[in-house]
Amino acid sequence: DIVMTQSPLSLLVAPGEPASISCTSSQSLLHRNGFHYLDWYLQKPGQSPQLLIYFGSSRASGVPDRFSGGGSGTDFTLKITRVEAEDVGVYYCMQSLQTPLTFGGGTRVEIK
Amino acid sequence: VQLVESGGGLVQPGRSLRLSCTTFGFTFGDYAMSWVRQAPGKGLEWVGFIKNKTYGGTTEYAASVKGRFIISRDDFKRTAYLQMNSLKIEDTAVYYCARDRGKFQWGQGTLVTVSS
Repeated sequence: DIVMTQSPLSLLVAPGEPASISCTSSQSLLHRNGFHYLDWYLQKPGQSPQLLIYFGSSRASGVPDRFSGGGSGTDFTLKITRVEAEDVGVYYCMQSLQTPLTFGGGTRVEIK
Repeated sequence: VQLVESGGGLVQPGRSLRLSCTTFGFTFGDYAMSWVRQAPGKGLEWVGFIKNKTYGGTTEYAASVKGRFIISRDDFKRTAYLQMNSLKIEDTAVYYCARDRGKFQWGQGTLVTVSS
């Protein structure tokens, strides 16, 4: 199984400040088609998760451009250029390159 | 895109329960359908998926549920199902259905509580 490791476990960020979350996989997530099968999700308090980023760096429809995904191989990063109050919640990375699909343990983002 | 789960509730260990995921707003037959669960206060755990008919409609499961859970689909009803048998206390979770095998669009979830 591919193990997904996220860091940090939690982030306390002031509004308007940047934030960065790391996700490392135990195997490369690069498919032979050239895409990295790595998604980022945000689960806001009391809600179901929502898709932010897919294929490592493609922003989902309706996601603000302050969110960006990057990385390759086994190392990926989600960046928020200027955190807003509505960005609080738990962020998860997930690999869908092979089954079983696996998630990172989550990173909790809170606002100062 | 909308996915609506139903069928959750309280069930005793060893019993069965079937969840449904009814969908709207996309061509159901074009997509695989997945199930993901979240135990209380815990992270996300993939349960399994069913491919669409183009890819044979085959299923894959997490090791923790293989042999006990069955995923099926009815393309005419635009609905996916999760049949859960021999339920264990550790199956207690919110169960989400999601469109596709990644790049998930999620439902709102339904709570399954396994307790005597």
